[in-house]
Amino acid sequence: EVQLVESGGGLVQPGGSLRLSCAASGFTFSTYWMHWVRQAPGKGLVWVSHINGDGSSTNYADSVKGRFTISRDNARNTLYLQMNSLRAEDTAVYYCATIWSGYYALGYWGQGTLVTVSS
Amino acid sequence: QTVVTQEPSFSVSPGGTVTLTCGLSSGSVSTSYHPSWYQQTPGQAPRTLIYSTNTRRPGVPDRFSGAILGNKAALTITGAQADDECDYYCVLYLGSGIWVFGGGTKLTVL
Repeated sequence: EVQLVESGGGLVQPGGSLRLSCAASGFTFSTYWMHWVRQAPGKGLVWVSHINGDGSSTNYADSVKGRFTISRDNARNTLYLQMNSLRAEDTAVYYCATIWSGYYALGYWGQGTLVTVSS
Repeated sequence: QTVVTQEPSFSVSPGGTVTLTCGLSSGSVSTSYHPSWYQQTPGQAPRTLIYSTNTRRPGVPDRFSGAILGNKAALTITGAQADDECDYYCVLYLGSGIWVFGGGTKLTVL
């Protein structure tokens, strides 16, 4: 069974940093592209970032480019999102998700971790 | 900046049929955008329904179907049920490793 478990969320001050993790199990992690998606309170889903299987290719939404870094450790079956220079508008539940294998769609989703940026 | 458009809300009667759409602020949606659809109930993680325009994820009831209608992607729910009442999101792949979500449609079944 595919499982994705996010962690690392919490309260951080504006300008601060946080690193999210997504522990994966139940599938061959290294062969799956992975995504981060976020959802501000009461708002819609927003795609944040993507990484390919070996970590050599990454992409970001304009709103986080230059501040967030996606990475992965295939030996630990773990996806990361390093978030720097955080702003109030980054407050959201952050979901990790797999690609739907072989297709340009998202497949399996984690339950999310809440990041709150506030002083 | 590319904006993916969805109806903010829609209403359907139990047993009825509803079609939600997914468009582009400029241009037409085609299969080249690999449209996909997701369902989200409040407080829960999203669930993938449809990928590659019209392929149902295993386990998704066949009353959910996807297509290209005119210049938009479309999700049709046939025989709507009470537990279909939730939010629906489309996603388009813009190429070069960039995906964009639509703003979502809140579906009411009443």
